[in-house]
Amino acid sequence: AQKITQTQPGMFVQEKEAVTLDCTYDTSDPSYGLFWYKQPSSGEMIFLIYQGSYDQQNATEGRYSLNFQKARKSANLVISASQLGDSAMYFCAMREAPDSNYQLIWGAGTKLIIKP
Amino acid sequence: KAGVTQTPRYLIKTRGQQVTLSCSPISGHRSVSWYQQTPGQGLQFLFEYFSETQRNKGNFPGRFSGRQFSNSRSEMNVSTLELGDSALYLCASSLHEIQETQYFGPGTRLLVL
Repeated sequence: AQKITQTQPGMFVQEKEAVTLDCTYDTSDPSYGLFWYKQPSSGEMIFLIYQGSYDQQNATEGRYSLNFQKARKSANLVISASQLGDSAMYFCAMREAPDSNYQLIWGAGTKLIIKP
Repeated sequence: KAGVTQTPRYLIKTRGQQVTLSCSPISGHRSVSWYQQTPGQGLQFLFEYFSETQRNKGNFPGRFSGRQFSNSRSEMNVSTLELGDSALYLCASSLHEIQETQYFGPGTRLLVL
């Protein structure tokens, strides 16, 4: 079973609109963390935002916020006021127990294209 | 602080050759992980090094190996290259643990002909 699911392979959004990128996860571990990364066409993976399972509030970083719904096991990324430079692949990733030896588990990604 | 650097950025090899890729982590970071990214398979974890020891390993054949030096710099080697090894190879560093926030380098694009 997929541990990280990103259901939107691609999205087109008008510039200046808000965007929500979906991510659902599956874990039985009470302690976990969720990451979002952006990968432009240049290839570099850029860290955007992190949410810990015990964090009381949704994480925010500038125009990025994470809509964390623990009961639904979803951690959607919200980008406010989208810009042309936001066009990229976006990946959701999860880490389980902090003392685990497991690597990060990655979703398949969503390709976001911002239209002028 | 300088970010993660990877060299070379682009590489063309032929089948059967071997290749060595290099990664310098962010200063102070001790964990270095390697990933292979292809259009078909997505992002796949290769291995992680910490304090010169391999701590985690993904599901790749023994042709893929790596090492880490005392200054935390890491190298990845692929022997007997196959066409399917054509990919973007990404290196990421984190302070202590692979589960912490990882910061990625620009990647090395390898093309095997």
